[in-house]
This record gives sequence, C-alpha cells and structure tokens, in this order.
Amino acid sequence: QKEVEQNSGPLSVPEGAIASLNCTYSDRVSQSFFWYRQYSGKSPELIMSIYSNGDKEDGRFTAQLNKASQYVSLLIRDSQPSDSATYLCAVNLSGNTGKLIFGQGTTLQVKP
Amino acid sequence: GAVVSQHPSRVICKSGTSVKIECRSLDFQATTMFWYRQFPKKSLMLMATSNEGSKATYEQGVEKDKFLINHASLTLSTLTVTSAHPEDSSFYICSARVDGYEQYFGPGTRLTVT
Repeated sequence: QKEVEQNSGPLSVPEGAIASLNCTYSDRVSQSFFWYRQYSGKSPELIMSIYSNGDKEDGRFTAQLNKASQYVSLLIRDSQPSDSATYLCAVNLSGNTGKLIFGQGTTLQVKP
Repeated sequence: GAVVSQHPSRVICKSGTSVKIECRSLDFQATTMFWYRQFPKKSLMLMATSNEGSKATYEQGVEKDKFLINHASLTLSTLTVTSAHPEDSSFYICSARVDGYEQYFGPGTRLTVT
C-alpha cells in the first residue's frame, strides 16, 4: 500500500462548480497535512496546511481532515479555469525529520 | 509565504560534466532543505534532506557520490550532479522547511544532459 494515495484523474468540472479532491494516507501517527498546487512545468505551491480534525477554510479553498479515517480532502468552490493544475497531497511522516511524503497528484481540469 | 530561489532555472550540459544547482531561502533562515527530482507526469521523488552544517541524508537508491549536497549556511544549499548522463535529465526542485513541517519550493531547475 502506498503511503499517500490520490486518484490521478483527470477530474473534470465545469467552471463555477465545486471540485473535490481526496487523499488517503497509511501512517496513523501523521500529524501534518498539506495541499500543493502544481501547474505544468512549474514547481509546487503550498495552498493549504491542516493539522486538526475538521475543516479549514481559506478563500475558495477548504481542507478537511479526518484522522480516524485517515483521509484529507480539498474542496475548491467556484472553480475557475485558472485552477486547472495538478494537486498534490503531502503528509508529514511521524517523527521529526520534516520529510513529506507526496501522493502522485490529481489533475484537475476546469472547463469554461 | 516564504520565498525560495533556485539557480539556474534551466541548464544543458554535455554527458560527463558536472552541474551545480543553488537553492536559497531569501527572506528566512532554513535549517533544513530538501532536494527532489520529478520526471514528466510523475510525482516528486525526495532525493535527500540537507541540514545546515551537517552531512545530507540521502534516500534509499540515491547515489550520494553522484548527487553531492552542501548546506553551508542557513540560506544556501547546493546540489551538484557529478559526471552527468542523459538519464540524469530531470526537473530538480529544492524546498526549505519553515516553521513546523511546511515546505516552500523553489522554482526548479530543468537539467538536460546531451
């Protein structure tokens, strides 16, 4: 089992819709979770971090964490064509190495 | 967010030569930096963890003699690809750890070995 799993997609949504991206992880002790956005040919950009169970909202983005079920999700409201990118879920390994394990990413396509 | 720069952004070199890539944290001090490589349409692969003033910790399967990492100061880490070969062609990205476990990425260096 991969440590961090994401559906590679592509996930296609119409402009203005809600995009829902999901991620599961295997290490029960993980405490820190991140969502990165990566445009084609560019490096990843941190868009959300979440550490506690529940929801965390930032503008059009909402991260949701459920440690009991070992999943973390990202909702993008009012999706725009500029949101089209690959979204990477990252999980901090237990311990204090600071290392993040990345999922393979979900490609999101927002169609005008 | 924290700003991380990388230089060069793109480099083409001949097989057998060495290439140095610099990673700098511009507005903060980073005790830990990370080096990744990414092949087209693939996820990030962690190569090594670089700690200021100490030897880098390499991931399994990464040749430390081929990928030399130096973290001489709290704002600079370098990756040198020695005796590069075409199979080393890739997108190399560094990141710096800020507070907690957040990592901010540099813009990446696209290496092409001919």
